[in-house]
Amino acid sequence: GEDVEQSLFLSVREGDSSVINCTYTDSSSTYLYWYKQEPGAGLQLLTYIFSNMDMKQDQRLTVLLNKKDKHLSLRIADTQTGDSAIYFCAEKGSTLTFGKGTMLLVSP
Amino acid sequence: GAVVSQHPSRVICKSGTSVKIECRSLDFQATTMFWYRQFPKKSLMLMATSNEGSKATYEQGVEKDKFLINHASLTLSTLTVTSAHPEDSSFYICSARLGLAVNEQFFGPGTRLTVL
Repeated sequence: GEDVEQSLFLSVREGDSSVINCTYTDSSSTYLYWYKQEPGAGLQLLTYIFSNMDMKQDQRLTVLLNKKDKHLSLRIADTQTGDSAIYFCAEKGSTLTFGKGTMLLVSP
Repeated sequence: GAVVSQHPSRVICKSGTSVKIECRSLDFQATTMFWYRQFPKKSLMLMATSNEGSKATYEQGVEKDKFLINHASLTLSTLTVTSAHPEDSSFYICSARLGLAVNEQFFGPGTRLTVL
């Protein structure tokens, strides 16, 4: 079956880097995604990575994929208070399966 | 970018009543829409896939007679929670697919349902 796990909470100081980790189980996943959910708002797609890649960088965001270990991470450089939100990783197998979300709290 | 709206954003109802939630794609046509349910500290659970003009496909464990889905047009899908009970209280999120590319599924802001 498909199962996506991530830690529930991360607290960092403004300016530091944040790393949010995720593990998944479906080895047939074609794409892996990171979504951001701010209070009262819908999910916003931040970035995604194809399963045959091991890294993708997009401005302050770096996604690392270890397909052997089925481990995905999202690194946010120079974290800002506006980055405070819940971050979901998701894998696309037969359907889009989400993790429980990691709440990122950025303090000044 | 593509915008998906949901209405209402919050609804409180009495046990036994039915509640309808609308999901609209505002600036694009969506042949496929998805309905998710989000529990506190839990992931989003896909409830059903809604295709315009045909019956919705429900995920295992989701009661189709309780959660009625209608996708009457390319811009509107509705979810009706029938005979709502307190355990139906949750955050319901819809998404609409613009195309088949990896980044073409857009999410609505969600609807908070509270059943008293």
